[in-house]
Amino acid sequence: KAGVTQTPRYLIKTRGQQVTLSCSPISGHRSVSWYQQTPGQGLQFLFEYFSETQRNKGNFPGRFSGRQFSNSRSEMNVSTLELGDSALYLCASSASGGFSYNEQFFGPGTRLTVL
Amino acid sequence: AQKITQTQPGMFVQEKEAVTLDCTYDTSDPSYGLFWYKQPSSGEMIFLIYQGSYDQQNATEGRYSLNFQKARKSANLVISASQLGDSAMYFCAMRDQAGTALIFGKGTTLSVSS
Repeated sequence: KAGVTQTPRYLIKTRGQQVTLSCSPISGHRSVSWYQQTPGQGLQFLFEYFSETQRNKGNFPGRFSGRQFSNSRSEMNVSTLELGDSALYLCASSASGGFSYNEQFFGPGTRLTVL
Repeated sequence: AQKITQTQPGMFVQEKEAVTLDCTYDTSDPSYGLFWYKQPSSGEMIFLIYQGSYDQQNATEGRYSLNFQKARKSANLVISASQLGDSAMYFCAMRDQAGTALIFGKGTTLSVSS
């Protein structure tokens, strides 16, 4: 069974641009969550989608948005990039969305650098 | 509000030694779950072990065990017989109240030397 895939793995953008990251969950998983990891703030939850609906949202500005498609693939978008958006963005998938010990899997992450 | 605290920024251990990584948590929910993840330099989060608040016994997965002390609100990870491949960042986490997100601690960097 293929794991969670994230594309691209690395990305360099300049301030003011926008970026779209993609996450393909494990086949059959319907929940996708996104996290931002920075040295200063650590790992922070962005949002979670289940069956194309956003069910949970972290404390991030509206520049961060996401969506989920009918095949459970998810994208997150960051508009008007700022230097502080430089981070590792991790995606996690689960079958139902509840993080029980046996059903959450993380992807390798997308490392975004904003210049 | 829920919170995870990891007070050890870095730990150093030699191969074959045991090491304990500390984690304390704060929550008002009577039902909660605690997780430990390993993050190598490649960036991927690898699930290690889970402890439910109502589990009667401490969780164990191979060389990993969880020292769960509910009254003290601590869930320390014990790695027995450390290996060079254990060198990584380790995160303690718990589910949020919605049950669909994880709240992470700041992490502990473990360095294993030969």
